[in-house]
Amino acid sequence: GAVVSQHPSRVICKSGTSVKIECRSLDFQATTMFWYRQFPKQSLMLMATSNEGSKATYEQGVEKDKFLINHASLTLSTLTVTSAHPEDSSFYICSAIHPATSTYEQYFGPGTRLTVT
Amino acid sequence: AQTVTQSQPEMSVQEAETVTLSCTYDTSESNYYLFWYKQPPSRQMILVIRQEAYKQQNATENRFSVNFQKAAKSFSLKISDSQLGDTAMYFCAFMKPAAGNKLTFGGGTRVLVKP
Repeated sequence: GAVVSQHPSRVICKSGTSVKIECRSLDFQATTMFWYRQFPKQSLMLMATSNEGSKATYEQGVEKDKFLINHASLTLSTLTVTSAHPEDSSFYICSAIHPATSTYEQYFGPGTRLTVT
Repeated sequence: AQTVTQSQPEMSVQEAETVTLSCTYDTSESNYYLFWYKQPPSRQMILVIRQEAYKQQNATENRFSVNFQKAAKSFSLKISDSQLGDTAMYFCAFMKPAAGNKLTFGGGTRVLVKP
Protein backbone atom coordinates (compact mmCIF):
# COMPACT_ATOMS: atom_id res chain seq x y z
CA GLY A 1 0.00 0.00 0.00
CA ALA A 2 0.94 3.66 -0.31
CA VAL A 3 2.69 5.09 2.74
CA VAL A 4 3.06 8.74 3.66
CA SER A 5 5.31 9.79 6.52
CA GLN A 6 5.64 13.04 8.41
CA HIS A 7 8.49 14.37 10.46
CA PRO A 8 8.55 15.34 13.22
CA SER A 9 5.56 13.73 14.87
CA ARG A 10 5.52 16.47 17.46
CA VAL A 11 7.45 19.67 17.92
CA ILE A 12 7.56 22.44 20.47
CA CYS A 13 8.95 25.80 19.48
CA LYS A 14 9.15 29.24 20.98
CA SER A 15 7.02 32.09 19.80
CA GLY A 16 8.70 34.00 16.97
CA THR A 17 10.73 31.09 15.64
CA SER A 18 10.10 29.05 12.50
CA VAL A 19 9.49 25.34 12.28
CA LYS A 20 9.58 23.00 9.29
CA ILE A 21 7.41 19.92 8.87
CA GLU A 22 8.26 17.30 6.25
CA CYS A 23 5.84 15.11 4.34
CA ARG A 24 7.21 12.19 2.35
CA SER A 25 5.62 9.63 0.09
CA LEU A 26 7.70 6.54 0.82
CA ASP A 27 6.83 4.13 -1.95
CA PHE A 28 5.36 6.27 -4.69
CA GLN A 29 5.87 9.57 -6.41
CA ALA A 30 3.32 12.25 -5.71
CA THR A 31 3.00 15.26 -7.95
CA THR A 32 0.33 16.64 -5.66
CA MET A 33 0.25 16.74 -1.89
CA PHE A 34 -2.14 18.50 0.45
CA TRP A 35 -1.68 20.16 3.81
CA TYR A 36 -4.44 20.20 6.41
CA ARG A 37 -4.83 21.71 9.83
CA GLN A 38 -6.94 20.12 12.54
CA PHE A 39 -7.92 21.79 15.79
CA PRO A 40 -8.89 19.64 18.80
CA LYS A 41 -12.18 17.82 18.29
CA GLN A 42 -12.68 19.46 14.93
CA SER A 43 -12.52 18.41 11.33
CA LEU A 44 -9.66 18.77 8.87
CA MET A 45 -9.32 22.10 7.16
CA LEU A 46 -7.46 22.21 3.87
CA MET A 47 -4.69 24.79 3.97
CA ALA A 48 -3.03 24.38 0.59
CA THR A 49 -2.30 22.17 -2.36
CA SER A 50 1.37 21.47 -2.92
CA ASN A 51 2.41 20.87 -6.52
CA GLU A 52 5.82 19.51 -7.44
CA GLY A 53 7.84 22.05 -9.33
CA SER A 54 5.40 24.91 -8.97
CA LYS A 55 3.97 27.24 -6.38
CA ALA A 56 1.51 25.98 -3.85
CA THR A 57 -2.13 26.94 -4.09
CA TYR A 58 -3.49 28.29 -0.83
CA GLU A 59 -7.06 28.18 0.37
CA GLN A 60 -8.86 31.38 1.12
CA GLY A 61 -7.86 32.82 4.47
CA VAL A 62 -4.55 30.97 4.72
CA GLU A 63 -1.55 33.29 4.90
CA LYS A 64 0.93 32.17 2.27
CA ASP A 65 3.76 34.16 3.83
CA LYS A 66 3.21 32.49 7.16
CA PHE A 67 2.79 28.96 5.95
CA LEU A 68 5.48 28.38 3.36
CA ILE A 69 5.12 25.26 1.27
CA ASN A 70 7.83 23.79 -0.89
CA HIS A 71 7.39 20.69 -3.03
CA ALA A 72 10.97 20.23 -4.16
CA SER A 73 10.73 16.64 -5.32
CA LEU A 74 8.16 14.02 -6.23
CA THR A 75 8.42 12.48 -2.77
CA LEU A 76 8.82 15.46 -0.46
CA SER A 77 6.75 18.47 0.47
CA THR A 78 7.59 20.75 3.37
CA LEU A 79 5.48 23.14 5.40
CA THR A 80 7.32 25.90 7.24
CA VAL A 81 5.45 27.86 9.85
CA THR A 82 7.24 31.18 10.03
CA SER A 83 7.31 33.48 13.05
CA ALA A 84 5.16 31.04 14.93
CA HIS A 85 2.66 32.23 17.52
CA PRO A 86 0.69 30.28 20.12
CA GLU A 87 -2.41 30.43 17.91
CA ASP A 88 -0.49 28.41 15.31
CA SER A 89 -0.47 25.49 17.72
CA SER A 90 -2.40 22.73 16.02
CA PHE A 91 -2.24 19.30 14.42
CA TYR A 92 -0.94 19.44 10.87
CA ILE A 93 -1.62 16.58 8.46
CA CYS A 94 -0.40 16.02 4.93
CA SER A 95 -1.76 13.73 2.27
CA ALA A 96 -0.83 12.59 -1.21
CA ILE A 97 -2.60 11.07 -4.16
CA HIS A 98 -1.07 7.94 -5.60
CA PRO A 99 -0.81 8.55 -9.35
CA ALA A 100 -1.53 4.93 -10.22
CA THR A 101 -4.96 4.91 -8.63
CA SER A 102 -8.00 5.96 -10.55
CA THR A 103 -10.13 6.49 -7.49
CA TYR A 104 -8.53 9.69 -6.23
CA GLU A 105 -7.89 8.25 -2.81
CA GLN A 106 -5.68 10.43 -0.65
CA TYR A 107 -3.14 8.72 1.57
CA PHE A 108 -2.55 10.56 4.81
CA GLY A 109 0.53 11.04 6.91
CA PRO A 110 0.34 10.41 10.67
CA GLY A 111 0.29 14.12 11.47
CA THR A 112 2.50 16.55 13.35
CA ARG A 113 1.49 18.15 16.59
CA LEU A 114 2.89 21.67 16.81
CA THR A 115 2.97 23.50 20.12
CA VAL A 116 4.13 27.10 20.20
CA THR A 117 5.07 28.41 23.64
CA ALA B 1 -18.33 25.80 -2.73
CA GLN B 2 -19.25 22.33 -1.66
CA THR B 3 -20.45 21.71 1.86
CA VAL B 4 -20.58 18.44 3.74
CA THR B 5 -22.78 18.05 6.80
CA GLN B 6 -22.66 15.37 9.44
CA SER B 7 -25.57 15.95 11.76
CA GLN B 8 -24.58 13.52 14.51
CA PRO B 9 -21.70 14.77 16.68
CA GLU B 10 -21.56 11.56 18.70
CA MET B 11 -23.01 8.10 18.60
CA SER B 12 -22.59 5.09 20.81
CA VAL B 13 -23.28 1.48 19.95
CA GLN B 14 -23.00 -1.82 21.72
CA GLU B 15 -20.40 -4.24 20.48
CA ALA B 16 -21.74 -6.50 17.70
CA GLU B 17 -24.61 -4.15 16.92
CA THR B 18 -25.11 -1.87 13.95
CA VAL B 19 -24.76 1.90 13.74
CA THR B 20 -25.52 4.24 10.86
CA LEU B 21 -23.82 7.59 10.38
CA SER B 22 -25.45 10.25 8.27
CA CYS B 23 -23.85 12.59 5.78
CA THR B 24 -25.36 15.06 3.38
CA TYR B 25 -23.61 17.24 0.86
CA ASP B 26 -24.37 20.08 -1.43
CA THR B 27 -23.13 20.22 -4.99
CA SER B 28 -24.29 20.99 -8.49
CA GLU B 29 -21.72 18.66 -10.01
CA SER B 30 -22.47 15.30 -11.56
CA ASN B 31 -18.97 13.82 -11.42
CA TYR B 32 -17.59 13.50 -7.93
CA TYR B 33 -16.40 11.05 -5.33
CA LEU B 34 -17.47 10.50 -1.75
CA PHE B 35 -15.39 8.99 1.02
CA TRP B 36 -15.67 7.93 4.61
CA TYR B 37 -12.48 8.26 6.61
CA LYS B 38 -11.85 6.94 10.10
CA GLN B 39 -9.60 8.74 12.57
CA PRO B 40 -8.85 6.60 15.64
CA PRO B 41 -7.21 8.03 18.77
CA SER B 42 -3.83 7.73 17.03
CA ARG B 43 -5.17 10.43 14.65
CA GLN B 44 -4.03 8.51 11.57
CA MET B 45 -6.62 9.04 8.84
CA ILE B 46 -7.74 5.73 7.36
CA LEU B 47 -9.95 5.31 4.32
CA VAL B 48 -13.00 3.24 5.15
CA ILE B 49 -14.93 3.28 1.92
CA ARG B 50 -15.32 5.25 -1.31
CA GLN B 51 -18.18 5.81 -3.73
CA GLU B 52 -18.09 7.11 -7.27
CA ALA B 53 -21.10 9.28 -8.01
CA TYR B 54 -21.67 7.71 -11.40
CA LYS B 55 -22.06 4.28 -9.85
CA GLN B 56 -25.53 3.48 -8.65
CA GLN B 57 -24.45 0.43 -6.71
CA ASN B 58 -23.69 1.12 -3.09
CA ALA B 59 -20.11 0.43 -2.06
CA THR B 60 -19.34 -2.26 0.51
CA GLU B 61 -16.15 -3.09 2.35
CA ASN B 62 -16.54 -6.01 4.72
CA ARG B 63 -18.59 -4.72 7.69
CA PHE B 64 -18.87 -1.24 6.22
CA SER B 65 -21.46 -0.26 3.65
CA VAL B 66 -22.95 2.94 2.35
CA ASN B 67 -26.38 4.06 1.31
CA PHE B 68 -25.77 6.50 -1.53
CA GLN B 69 -28.81 8.50 -2.52
CA LYS B 70 -27.60 10.80 -5.27
CA ALA B 71 -30.82 12.72 -5.80
CA ALA B 72 -31.10 13.39 -2.08
CA LYS B 73 -27.36 14.10 -1.83
CA SER B 74 -27.08 11.69 1.03
CA PHE B 75 -24.22 9.31 1.80
CA SER B 76 -24.69 7.36 5.02
CA LEU B 77 -22.29 4.80 6.46
CA LYS B 78 -23.45 1.62 8.13
CA ILE B 79 -21.10 -0.22 10.44
CA SER B 80 -22.31 -3.76 11.06
CA ASP B 81 -21.18 -6.08 13.84
CA SER B 82 -19.44 -3.17 15.56
CA GLN B 83 -16.09 -3.92 17.15
CA LEU B 84 -14.22 -2.10 19.88
CA GLY B 85 -11.61 -1.10 17.31
CA ASP B 86 -14.26 0.83 15.42
CA THR B 87 -14.20 3.48 18.14
CA ALA B 88 -13.02 6.60 16.32
CA MET B 89 -14.00 9.83 14.63
CA TYR B 90 -15.58 9.28 11.26
CA PHE B 91 -15.42 11.92 8.58
CA CYS B 92 -17.45 12.09 5.42
CA ALA B 93 -15.63 13.77 2.54
CA PHE B 94 -16.49 15.07 -0.92
CA MET B 95 -14.09 15.38 -3.83
CA LYS B 96 -14.56 16.83 -7.28
CA PRO B 97 -11.81 15.83 -9.72
CA ALA B 98 -12.30 19.00 -11.73
CA ALA B 99 -11.44 21.08 -8.66
CA GLY B 100 -7.95 19.78 -8.14
CA ASN B 101 -8.92 16.63 -6.24
CA LYS B 102 -9.34 18.58 -3.03
CA LEU B 103 -11.27 16.96 -0.21
CA THR B 104 -14.01 18.79 1.64
CA PHE B 105 -14.69 17.20 5.01
CA GLY B 106 -17.76 17.13 7.16
CA GLY B 107 -17.55 18.02 10.83
CA GLY B 108 -17.17 14.43 11.93
CA THR B 109 -19.08 11.95 14.08
CA ARG B 110 -17.51 10.42 17.15
CA VAL B 111 -18.40 6.74 17.43
CA LEU B 112 -17.98 4.91 20.72
CA VAL B 113 -18.35 1.16 20.70
CA LYS B 114 -19.23 -0.16 24.15
CA PRO B 115 -18.37 -3.68 25.31
